[in-house]
Amino acid sequence: NAGVTQTPKFRILKIGQSMTLQCTQDMNHNYMYWYRQDPGMGLKLIYYSVGAGITDKGEVPNGYNVSRSTTEDFPLRLELAAPSQTSVYFCASSSSFSGANVLTFGAGSRLTVL
Amino acid sequence: TQLLEQSPQFLSIQEGENLTVYCNSSSVFSSLQWYRQEPGEGPVLLVTVVTGGEVKKLKRLTFQFGDARKDSSLHITAAQPGDTGLYLCAGVRNTGNQFYFGTGTSLTVIP
Repeated sequence: NAGVTQTPKFRILKIGQSMTLQCTQDMNHNYMYWYRQDPGMGLKLIYYSVGAGITDKGEVPNGYNVSRSTTEDFPLRLELAAPSQTSVYFCASSSSFSGANVLTFGAGSRLTVL
Repeated sequence: TQLLEQSPQFLSIQEGENLTVYCNSSSVFSSLQWYRQEPGEGPVLLVTVVTGGEVKKLKRLTFQFGDARKDSSLHITAAQPGDTGLYLCAGVRNTGNQFYFGTGTSLTVIP
């Protein structure tokens, strides 16, 4: 089982550039999430989705966009990258049907904006 | 503002010592989870506690959910170098699959 797969693992961007972080899961989970992790700050929720075609903002959505056209994929778009977006980004998924409410995380994408 | 505060933020101990990590909030959660994260990887679930006052044991790890379901603790007995990592608590709300993470505790166990 691949679980949650994120690409790329590392990326360096210049200020003002745009990019998309890819996330795909093969567990047929209906919920998907994007978090960012900064030192000493735990995980902050950027966006989440309860199913294909439905997305909603989390705690820190500014500067990001998402889409959920399929159950499997949940890409995160950064427009006009800023140094404040330097972070490690984690995609995660869970199922509301299993009753377990457990998050399965990807391995993370480390983004540096210079 | 952080919904869940963890303490301590950093902990460095010798192998064989005991330790406790705390996760506190003013909010009530339907359940609380503990995750462990190793460098370069995503967090992995250790345990979920659901009932107020619940205690769960996982080998040398003991997890407790507060009676009011606002706080939790993780106690490790006879710590080993393999316990080194970042420990994160996460509160789950009744409104759905909403997870609120704590600030994290970075544990280093020195051989």
